[in-house]
Amino acid sequence: DGGITQSPKYLFRKEGQNVTLSCEQNLNHDAMYWYRQDPGQGLRLIYYSQIVNDFQKGDIAEGYSVSREKKESFPLTVTSAQKNPTAFYLCASSSSQGTSNQPQHFGDGTRLSIL
Amino acid sequence: KNEVEQSPQNLTAQEGEFITINCSYSVGISALHWLQQHPGGGIVSLFMLSSGKKKHGRLIATINIQEKHSSLHITASHPRDSAVYICAGRLGGNYKLTFGKGTLLTVNP
Repeated sequence: DGGITQSPKYLFRKEGQNVTLSCEQNLNHDAMYWYRQDPGQGLRLIYYSQIVNDFQKGDIAEGYSVSREKKESFPLTVTSAQKNPTAFYLCASSSSQGTSNQPQHFGDGTRLSIL
Repeated sequence: KNEVEQSPQNLTAQEGEFITINCSYSVGISALHWLQQHPGGGIVSLFMLSSGKKKHGRLIATINIQEKHSSLHITASHPRDSAVYICAGRLGGNYKLTFGKGTLLTVNP
């Protein structure tokens, strides 16, 4: 079955550590996205990528970094510069971006907590 | 102020009831999405619509472009429908989705 796999489901970070959240898709989608979800707020876009080796900042990119070396993979690194990293992180993909409207497919999320 | 507003924030219903969740947005959109998020956190896309009405099983989504409003209806609600329902719109010519804060639906047996 095609889909998006996020790992791990739960992640704990010590102060000052960088951590990387994995996102893999086998849907052959060009576009991939990372969102952050906080209680009582809508999903907010961190980074997105339209194509391999290209990505753009979303609304809340500070303290995060990404790479897109392969079409299937879009890992998100939460750096020590992110002062409030505790949140639920969702990865999504769609077949294309820009003017065409395609549904986004979501993973099951990773919940990150600070120790 | 969020550009996509949902109401109600919380909704409790008895099994079998007809459910309506509303979504309003402040500027023109090219597409409106309805999503379902279960307690574990995973999100499923229910509908994407730019006009009219779509139906899938007991779920119906409508959109009124002139009034900048969309509704999600659930007929014959069931406890397994309990989830957070989220609407999201691609506003104006923007590339990204703007999400509502979600409606927590609880259906009691």
